Amino acid sequence: SQKIEQNSEALNIQEGKTATLTCNYTNYSPAYLQWYRQDPGRGPVFLLLIRENEKEKRKERLKVTFDTTLKQSLFHITASQPADSATYLCALDITGGSNYKLTFGKGTLLTVNP
Amino acid sequence: NAGVTQTPKFRVLKTGQSMTLLCAQDMNHEYMYWYRQDPGMGLRLIHYSVGEGTTAKGEVPDGYNVSRLKKQNFLLGLESAAPSQTSVYFCASRAPDGGSNQPQHFGDGTRLSIL
Repeated sequence: SQKIEQNSEALNIQEGKTATLTCNYTNYSPAYLQWYRQDPGRGPVFLLLIRENEKEKRKERLKVTFDTTLKQSLFHITASQPADSATYLCALDITGGSNYKLTFGKGTLLTVNP
Repeated sequence: NAGVTQTPKFRVLKTGQSMTLLCAQDMNHEYMYWYRQDPGMGLRLIHYSVGEGTTAKGEVPDGYNVSRLKKQNFLLGLESAAPSQTSVYFCASRAPDGGSNQPQHFGDGTRLSIL
């Protein structure tokens, strides 16, 4: 069966360091992968999308990589700030190209300590 | 700019009661989704719709029904509420790809407790 795993339920880092979150998947070759941020009591908010033919994508302090050989995406937040504390979700389409359904990982709770 | 609006935000029901959760989007999106989010389980797709008048089952559809009579609204119904349906329910919408992959836009959820 399809599986999407995010490396840990919780990650604690010091302000100013780089946070690295991992998303692994099995038994599928998605055309793209998305990352979302979720704050307590709120719905997920889209951050970045990376396609299978893109190795890396950046947006301000965020960087996403996508290794289709390893079946893994890494999500980096550089110069982290306490305001970056949230749960981060990866999501991908595992429906074989229909491209309108996402399956989400369980998320990683990131806490950035001042 | 409302985006995706869910009502109600909170609700407590007794076992066996029925209710309808409303999702409204003002972005003219074709695709709409209902998820539930439980601790340790992540977001799971209940039902979805790819256009007005269409609905389809997701990963966990049992005990729920949906309707998409108008493009902007997607209703989720609980026919006979059970404690196992205690959860946070999220609605999302998305534009068709049109050549580029589109993200989903989420509401802020409905927190439902079944006693």
